[in-house]
Amino acid sequence: QSVLTQPPSASGTPGQRVTISCSGSSSNIGSNTVNWYQQVPGTAPKLLIYSNNQRPSGVPDRFSGSKSGTSASLAISGLQSEDEADYYCAAWDDSLNGYVFGTGTKVTVL
Amino acid sequence: EVQLVESGGGLVQPGGSLRLSCEASGFTFRSYSLNWVRQAPGKGLEWVSYISTSISSTVYYADSVRGRFTISRDNARNSLYLQMNSLRDEDTAVYYCARGSVTFGGVDYWGQGTLVTVSS
Repeated sequence: QSVLTQPPSASGTPGQRVTISCSGSSSNIGSNTVNWYQQVPGTAPKLLIYSNNQRPSGVPDRFSGSKSGTSASLAISGLQSEDEADYYCAAWDDSLNGYVFGTGTKVTVL
Repeated sequence: EVQLVESGGGLVQPGGSLRLSCEASGFTFRSYSLNWVRQAPGKGLEWVSYISTSISSTVYYADSVRGRFTISRDNARNSLYLQMNSLRDEDTAVYYCARGSVTFGGVDYWGQGTLVTVSS
């Protein structure tokens, strides 16, 4: 049962900007940093953004993250066909003593 | 290169047991916390369990598995384990081994996963 809420889908044409929201509470996003993962169907998730807005080495700067209060968002600018994947937000939850994931958002490139 | 390789998945009947293993390489295993995360077919990611680095390892479990699953590690063998007992249909999923980051609160590397199917 996911604790963080995301829209089930998002889409855009090549070159467009797509934004994905992630809503949580004071015990997770409100008090801890947010990470984002990209998962191409049939493969393992890959770290995309950590500590709200940091990109690991090798992740294009088209991907950016932000956080405000108990919500976070992931933006993909200059959308490309290879960005078609599922995206998950995640954060540690101090009340549950566990790492909670978002419900996931499927991004489609039209 | 960080590598996490899971094994031990398979078909098991409801009420049965299974032990998953994750062999790590490419980093100083004893210095990192570890997690198990699962994904039911067609569903999202669900965190299952966490184990810290310390000798007296702190462990945490998701409510859905507490009392049935046990996480452990063997630093001498660079290995992580998940003992799963009293398995239920809803435990059917791909189980991923995932490394905890030392830089931020969360998971940075994932294994390729191992499929557990609980069915009669």
